[in-house]
Amino acid sequence: ETGVTQTPRHLVMGMTNKKSLKCEQHLGHNAMYWYKQSAKKPLELMFVYSLEERVENNSVPSRFSPECPNSSHLFLHLHTLQPEDSALYLCASTRGAGMGTEAFFGQGTRLTVV
Amino acid sequence: GNSVTQMEGPVTLSEEAFLTINCTYTATGYPSLFWYVQYPGEGLQLLLKATKADDKGSNKGFEATYRKETTSFHLEKGSVQVSDSAVYFCALSDKSNTGKLIFGQGTTLQVKP
Repeated sequence: ETGVTQTPRHLVMGMTNKKSLKCEQHLGHNAMYWYKQSAKKPLELMFVYSLEERVENNSVPSRFSPECPNSSHLFLHLHTLQPEDSALYLCASTRGAGMGTEAFFGQGTRLTVV
Repeated sequence: GNSVTQMEGPVTLSEEAFLTINCTYTATGYPSLFWYVQYPGEGLQLLLKATKADDKGSNKGFEATYRKETTSFHLEKGSVQVSDSAVYFCALSDKSNTGKLIFGQGTTLQVKP
């Protein structure tokens, strides 16, 4: 148990569906992240939120829409996804946003787009 | 830009064998360096880290030394166990002050009894 909880653990959705991934951290951290883990590729940073403000968006398609309503919660809203978006989506949090800060990861949501 | 390169896997070892997983990086300045481990069905967990040149990170029998001259951060363990079977990721945290991590592609370790 890392203190970062992601739901659901598994999600299968059609290309026309709309769904949301949820991440919650109980560590009192103030920065949260979405990473995408695809087979045989390095983890890719998608979004960074610090103090509830988006501070980085790594050229992610608009079919992925993040939301950070407070420092403990982070959502990733999904709509009209493509099969190549199937991957493990990992949420992480850090105490601050400085270099050298340890990131705590959730267990991930395994997304399959059919 | 900044990047991390790890040796290709999978690495298959017998129990009690010596482990080395190579990691080299490209970065401006002096990043912090990390090894994360991902057990089956789990998220990533920090294994060890080093924040400046010549620092040695260690945890659970694993070690890695920050080598500025060779831009490397190789992971080693003297005697692996079956329970060490997992995917190992080398990563760096750059100077952007967003806390983001840049990962290598991961190396799968399989330890056989």
